[in-house]
Amino acid sequence: GQNIDQPTEMTATEGAIVQINCTYQTSGFNGLFWYQQHAGEAPTFLSYNVLDGLEEKGRFSSFLSRSKGYSYLLLKELQMKDSASYLCAVMDSNYQLIWGAGTKLIIKP
Amino acid sequence: NAGVTQTPKFRVLKTGQSMTLLCAQDMNHEYMYWYRQDPGMGLRLIHYSVGEGTTAKGEVPDGYNVSRLKKQNFLLGLESAAPSQTSVYFCASSKNPDSNQPQHFGDGTRLSIL
Repeated sequence: GQNIDQPTEMTATEGAIVQINCTYQTSGFNGLFWYQQHAGEAPTFLSYNVLDGLEEKGRFSSFLSRSKGYSYLLLKELQMKDSASYLCAVMDSNYQLIWGAGTKLIIKP
Repeated sequence: NAGVTQTPKFRVLKTGQSMTLLCAQDMNHEYMYWYRQDPGMGLRLIHYSVGEGTTAKGEVPDGYNVSRLKKQNFLLGLESAAPSQTSVYFCASSKNPDSNQPQHFGDGTRLSIL
């Protein structure tokens, strides 16, 4: 079967750095997406990785290792507004997204 | 800059009632999707469409029907609502999936079945 695993909840301090991990087992791989979802709102696109390595976009970076079935989202200089759920999703061989349950990130002052 | 618009935002139904959820996008996207989101679970694909006049089943299609009569609209119907269909429903659209084009989501419809 297809499976995406991410921690249920993480806590970090304002101004710090946090790494959210995602491991996956899917039938085929056509890219990995990270989305941010604030409570009661729609998911919004953060990043996309299809090749191994690090993609940096401002305070957010995303890493992929296809051989290990592993990705992480790195958030630097955390702000209170970063409190949200972070969703990992893998595009499978049928070009459909398989979603993880999301990681709820709590930022404390 | 509307993007993806869903109506209604909230609805309470009684078991056995029917209703239609509406989704409209103004980005000229070919692909549209209906998901449900339940606590502790990832988004699950109900149905999707690869273009006007087409529909296909996703992971959890039972109890739902869809139609895509116009490119910009994708309708999700519940013929006979059941308590297990209590969920948050998201519509999304994308240019095409075989690239790095992300899916764009509507604000969701919160549906309760009593």
